[in-house]
Amino acid sequence: DAKTTQPNSMESNEEEPVHLPCNHSTISGTDYIHWYRQLPSQGPEYVIHGLTSNVNNRMASLAIAEDRKSSTLILHRATLRDAAVYYCILLNAGGTSYGKLTFGQGTILTVHP
Amino acid sequence: GAVVSQHPSWVICKSGTSVKIECRSLDFQATTMFWYRQFPKQSLMLMATSNEGSKATYEQGVEKDKFLINHASLTLSTLTVTSAHPEDSSFYICSASLGILGGYTFGSGTRLTVV
Repeated sequence: DAKTTQPNSMESNEEEPVHLPCNHSTISGTDYIHWYRQLPSQGPEYVIHGLTSNVNNRMASLAIAEDRKSSTLILHRATLRDAAVYYCILLNAGGTSYGKLTFGQGTILTVHP
Repeated sequence: GAVVSQHPSWVICKSGTSVKIECRSLDFQATTMFWYRQFPKQSLMLMATSNEGSKATYEQGVEKDKFLINHASLTLSTLTVTSAHPEDSSFYICSASLGILGGYTFGSGTRLTVV
């Protein structure tokens, strides 16, 4: 399975933008890029996903490199509630691992008041 | 939006007993659900894929006789931890897909403590 690499931790100040990077140099053409976040003692929460084009939703934006080997999750204005572990996951749309989300270690985002 | 309800949110049981965790899709039908386990300060580990009307598919290293999964309807999957031991104490989380073009929704998790 194609893997992702994320920084262990990042820090931000409240109301500032946050750019969370993810490297996935072995991504295949059928891999979707998914982002989830997990607050302490809760199940993960879907943030955003994309395939090739940049994506925007009410929570965040996803910028995907042209060669798809990296992506960046953008939180436009961080709030204290955005403090969480952010997971970048490749979801295979074909093959034996179809539909399985495999979580890595993620990035711990700390937001300072 | 799509909601997955997981129950109970926490449970304490005695060693040797069995515990059942329920995962319900409230406003959509889930042909496939997934069960994860998470130990403190670690990431989620996929345990098994639950398929409605058929046997679950377990990940390598997960004991299927210990972690019984039943997916009898399109809205309910259950995970039963049989003959629980303290090392089974963990955070169990279920998930359902909204289709390959959608995201995945997760339950709020069940904290299992075996004493």
